[in-house]
Amino acid sequence: DAKTTQPTSMDCAEGRAANLPCNHSTISGNEYVYWYRQIHSQGPQYIIHGLKNNETNEMASLIITEDRKSSTLILPHATLRDTAVYYCIVRVRWGGNKLVFGAGTILRVKS
Amino acid sequence: NAGVMQNPRHLVRRRGQEARLRCSPMKGHSHVYWYRQLPEEGLKFMVYLQKENIIDESGMPKERFSAEFPKEGPSILRIQQVVRGDSAAYFCASSPPGTAYEQYFGPGTRLTVT
Repeated sequence: DAKTTQPTSMDCAEGRAANLPCNHSTISGNEYVYWYRQIHSQGPQYIIHGLKNNETNEMASLIITEDRKSSTLILPHATLRDTAVYYCIVRVRWGGNKLVFGAGTILRVKS
Repeated sequence: NAGVMQNPRHLVRRRGQEARLRCSPMKGHSHVYWYRQLPEEGLKFMVYLQKENIIDESGMPKERFSAEFPKEGPSILRIQQVVRGDSAAYFCASSPPGTAYEQYFGPGTRLTVT
């Protein structure tokens, strides 16, 4: 699986967009980018995934660069409840089933 | 549609006792995964099961840990002769067939070994 690099922590003002970067320079053609988050003491929550096109759902948007070596998760209007650890995971979708979590990015949304 | 359910939410065991953690996947989900999160550490994969089959147990400690997902009933993670180092949060996730990575997690069981 491709290795990912994320900043250790980020701060964001409530109501503003939170942009969380992820580098995955060794990603291969059949690997997807997945984002999960873990709010303190809770189970991880699936957010979004993508292959090469930008994706949007009710929670967030995922922007993947044209060369696919990096991506950005965007929370358009961050709230205090979005404070969590955000994990960027790169993996083939069908080739195995375990999720490999790195250290993630601690996002602190402040009022 | 109820989410992934885990019970108990909190479990206290003395050293040497057995711990049984239960996981009921979401309706229609036939794949179950167990992960462990030690204090101040990241989530680590333990085992992946389908009904009556262990598919990948590469993350399971070699001794004292076992998992099952019977044809009927919840998946069980069993830890025999618990030690203090087993104290952790144990999360179960499930997914439907054919969607390998949209895993939906339960609230976890927090095991404390005294």
